[in-house]
Amino acid sequence: AQSVTQPDIHITVSEGASLELRCNYSYGATPYLFWYVQSPGQGLQLLLKYFSGDTLVQGIKGFEAEFKRSQSSFNLRKPSVHWSDAAEYFCAVGANTGNQFYFGTGTSLTVIP
Amino acid sequence: DSGVTQTPKHLITATGQRVTLRCSPRSGDLSVYWYQQSLDQGLQFLIQYYNGEERAKGNILERFSAQQFPDLHSELNLSSLELGDSALYFCASSDGPFVGEKLFFGSGTQLSVL
Repeated sequence: AQSVTQPDIHITVSEGASLELRCNYSYGATPYLFWYVQSPGQGLQLLLKYFSGDTLVQGIKGFEAEFKRSQSSFNLRKPSVHWSDAAEYFCAVGANTGNQFYFGTGTSLTVIP
Repeated sequence: DSGVTQTPKHLITATGQRVTLRCSPRSGDLSVYWYQQSLDQGLQFLIQYYNGEERAKGNILERFSAQQFPDLHSELNLSSLELGDSALYFCASSDGPFVGEKLFFGSGTQLSVL
């Protein structure tokens, strides 16, 4: 069965520091992988997605993610976080079987000034 | 602004009641997805419609139903409500039917069952 694991429930970083949010997935074939961000009181917004090709994907707001098949991971990174990056981040996998999205439980990011 | 409109933003009701949540997708989008977000269950996929027809079904209870109308707006009907149905319900839309499409999310309907 398809699943997504985000092992870090909450992460705190200082403004200007680098960030890496972890995501591991379980899926039989090459998955469609996504990172979404949810600001308080808002819906989810797509940061980036991976289907195939270059395993390093660039997204909006300076985020990038790297697909590592051997580790079944799709970690999100940003070299220098801004206070406005404080939000909930969700990793998701899209499965052609059943045409469903599976979301991880999310990682809450706090940014310290 | 994602272009996806959900109404109402907040809904307070009692156990045993029935409510209807409404979603207008982004202009031109044919797919509508419904998700339930709660603290204990996270973000759960409920159901997807594409151009008026049910496309995929997730963890949707039998007490819940949905439909997509000819003008492409969608409604999620929740009946015989229980305390555990209290959650944030999101609608998302995409232009195509496939799982790889980019989803645009509405800001959600917060349902409180008392």
